[in-house]
Amino acid sequence: AQSVTQLGSHVSVSEGALVLLRCNYSSSVPPYLFWYVQYPNQGLQLLLKYTSAATLVKGINGFEAEFKKSETSFHLTKPSAHMSDAAEYFCAVTTPWGSARQLTFGSGTQLTVLP
Amino acid sequence: EAEVAQSPRYKITEKSQAVAFWCDPISGHATLYWYRQILGQGPELLVQFQDESVVDDSQLPKDRFSAERLKGVDSTLKIQPAELGDSAMYLCASSPASGSSAGELFFGEGSRLTVL
Repeated sequence: AQSVTQLGSHVSVSEGALVLLRCNYSSSVPPYLFWYVQYPNQGLQLLLKYTSAATLVKGINGFEAEFKKSETSFHLTKPSAHMSDAAEYFCAVTTPWGSARQLTFGSGTQLTVLP
Repeated sequence: EAEVAQSPRYKITEKSQAVAFWCDPISGHATLYWYRQILGQGPELLVQFQDESVVDDSQLPKDRFSAERLKGVDSTLKIQPAELGDSAMYLCASSPASGSSAGELFFGEGSRLTVL
């Protein structure tokens, strides 16, 4: 079985400050990991994904995440927050093989950006 | 850019009524998923199709929920009768079987259900 834990259901940062959203995973096999963003009343948009290539993954909108196997973590960062980054962020895990691939999501982190 | 289409975007219904949601995946995507997202929580898988076949419906409350993908393209999720606890966002996603995006899920805008 696989799961993800997102530490902190709500995170507030000032505009221009560092964004750090935490995600820890549990998986019996090497995982694929994803970060999605969701704006109010919209679907989920992929920010970035780790699929066993480079451990530092760069995504859209200036976000990046680093896969750390020793810490079973995949934290999402952005050097400088923008007001438009305010949204809910979900970390997700899946197994890297098989056609019946399913994503298991964390409970989400609501990011607030203060002016 | 190809998108997953869902309708309706919003649905308000009374408990015990029937409700249906429709999803049209990105063309060529063999795998289709229905997720339910309760407010303040992450999405949870309800059912997964590979072409027209159900791969996993272990979390689908089959006493009231049904899902079909008859021709392996678009899909319908039905709830009958609706209960208050069914109020949620219902998300459809599709995934290609091959290529650089193999296994990546592409989500629609979702259908928000409110049961009164």
